[in-house]
Amino acid sequence: DTAVSQTPKYLVTQMGNDKSIKCEQNLGHDTMYWYKQDSKKFLKIMFSYNNKELIINETVPNRFSPKSPDKAHLNLHINSLELGDSAVYFCASSQYLETYEQYFGPGTRLTVT
Amino acid sequence: DAKTTQPTSMDCAEGRAANLPCNHSTISGNEYVYWYRQIHSQGPQYIIHGLKNNETNEMASLIITEDRKSSTLILPHATLRDTAVYYCIVSEGGTSYGKLTFGQGTILTVHP
Repeated sequence: DTAVSQTPKYLVTQMGNDKSIKCEQNLGHDTMYWYKQDSKKFLKIMFSYNNKELIINETVPNRFSPKSPDKAHLNLHINSLELGDSAVYFCASSQYLETYEQYFGPGTRLTVT
Repeated sequence: DAKTTQPTSMDCAEGRAANLPCNHSTISGNEYVYWYRQIHSQGPQYIIHGLKNNETNEMASLIITEDRKSSTLILPHATLRDTAVYYCIVSEGGTSYGKLTFGQGTILTVHP
């Protein structure tokens, strides 16, 4: 069974479109995260949620809106996509809020043309 | 900004031990050292963490110096599948709430 899963794995879209990436974890964890890895391979945190509550919101444009319908799911919706949004987006989860032992999903490669 | 310094790249022969160093000279007393790795095109994978004592699990060993200013991740018998980018991360504690700050990491290449 996949612990942290993301869909889709690849996403190619045009500038200006709105798209969503879904993430699900079956580990029973309380906390979920979104990270972005750009073309230079730097990994940076974007958001974290704990029991459906937003905890971390790193200087991310308002076009990015995470949504957590329950603690097993954390989706990422992106409005008005720009070329600079092209990256690999990773979802992760951890058992508790202040735990640095995190389990990552396989990533979603977003390409904006 | 990452609070750690790692060599950009290292090589290791298959079957030999891989020793990956990390400097974290500004680490605080309650901050942990975490190691992750990222195999090409996959998500990062947690390896091990420690505070001040040496730690060992099924994947690796972590040796932390007594002054806690540096540490070494040891993969005892490296295989080709251990080729990856290895990240040494210091947990920020306080209100960082699990925020992992990744640096550039060390590209470990295991060759036959």
